Amino acid sequence: DAGVTQSPTHLIKTRGQQVTLRCSPISGHKSVSWYQQVLGQGPQFIFQYYEKEERGRGNFPDRFSARQFPNYSSELNVNALLLGDSALYLCASSLGGNNEKLFFGSGTQLSVL
Amino acid sequence: DQQVKQNSPSLSVQEGRISILNCDYTNSMFDYFLWYKKYPAEGPTFLISISSIKDKNEDGRFTVFLNKSAKHLSLHIVPSQPGDSAVYFCAASAISRGSTLGRLYFGRGTQLTVWP
Repeated sequence: DAGVTQSPTHLIKTRGQQVTLRCSPISGHKSVSWYQQVLGQGPQFIFQYYEKEERGRGNFPDRFSARQFPNYSSELNVNALLLGDSALYLCASSLGGNNEKLFFGSGTQLSVL
Repeated sequence: DQQVKQNSPSLSVQEGRISILNCDYTNSMFDYFLWYKKYPAEGPTFLISISSIKDKNEDGRFTVFLNKSAKHLSLHIVPSQPGDSAVYFCAASAISRGSTLGRLYFGRGTQLTVWP
């Protein structure tokens, strides 16, 4: 079975640009969460979508947005990139309900220059 | 504000011995705790979890202990193997308090190195 897949694996952008990251959950998983991991820190929660509805948002500015599609795949968009947005962006999927066992993808490494 | 803390950035253990990784939390609403393992260039992989109604959970070589009064949990790996060398993250959630599904609070991680 395919795991959580994310694209692209690496990305280089300049300040002020916009970026879109993509995630395909494990088949049958309806919940997708996004996390940001800055070097030396643990993953920080950005968004969670369940059944195509936003179910939670972490402490991130409005420059960050996301959506989930009918096939449960998801996109994370970041506008007006700042140097501090450089990080590993992780997508995780789960069945939903109270199952907090998240399955993570390998992430997208974003570098903002 | 870091609600989940892993105060040891690194741990080095000889193969065959016990590895003990520690984690503290500050939010008393947390009621579900997980450990994830992360290798370079890969996403975190679920290892073991424990609900706050328990104080111990075992899975093979891995055991997690929870001390709610101290707001402390630990992961024991016995015996340690070189393949266990990775970054270990402690994570917590507040399921019964209606926490958003899929929202976990992570510590900063502990780099475990198991040498032969």
